[in-house]
Amino acid sequence: AQSVSQHNHHVILSEAASLELGCNYSYGGTVNLFWYVQYPGQHLQLLLKYFSGDPLVKGIKGFEAEFIKSKFSFNLRKPSVQWSDTAEYFCAVSNTGNQFYFGTGTSLTVIP
Amino acid sequence: DTGVSQDPRHKITKRGQNVTFRCDPISEHNRLYWYRQTLGQGPEFLTYFQNEAQLEKSRLLSDRFSAERPKGSFSTLEIQRTEQGDSAMYLCASSPSGPSYGYTFGSGTRLTVV
Repeated sequence: AQSVSQHNHHVILSEAASLELGCNYSYGGTVNLFWYVQYPGQHLQLLLKYFSGDPLVKGIKGFEAEFIKSKFSFNLRKPSVQWSDTAEYFCAVSNTGNQFYFGTGTSLTVIP
Repeated sequence: DTGVSQDPRHKITKRGQNVTFRCDPISEHNRLYWYRQTLGQGPEFLTYFQNEAQLEKSRLLSDRFSAERPKGSFSTLEIQRTEQGDSAMYLCASSPSGPSYGYTFGSGTRLTVV
């Protein structure tokens, strides 16, 4: 089975700071990679996804992620965070499409 | 709203009772998934349907759990003889076919077993 590690459990940033959230996975074959966001009181929403092609993926709200195959990593980045980015962020990996393996999540708090 | 709908949003039940949750996926999505999320954890896979066929079940899905998707539309998840350890958020998601699609999640049903 896959495992997904999110190294940062809780991150606190000031507005305009840069963000990088780590995600590493265990599977060595072909993978599909995702970042989901859960805003307070809302359901999980897809932020971005990678399944082939350019390893630098751009998502909604200025987020991007880079797939580095040699490092089994798919880190999420944003150059300048806003207070509205306060949320829980989940990395997920799928190799068959039939089930996703999620990390334990990173709680991001942005201070105005 | 054309998203994934789950009902009820919250359910409090006494230990030993049976509960049933419903999920209505996006109508054109033929894949439907159930996940469970506990505090401080990411969602964990329970089961998956393609149309009406249940194609995969996690070992987390004990014999007290059963899921159905009659006619390939809405799905139900039933938990019999609930235990306190069943307390969690139960998430439903749907997607079109294909490994590269992300899921669309519902808002979940929060189950509390007292």
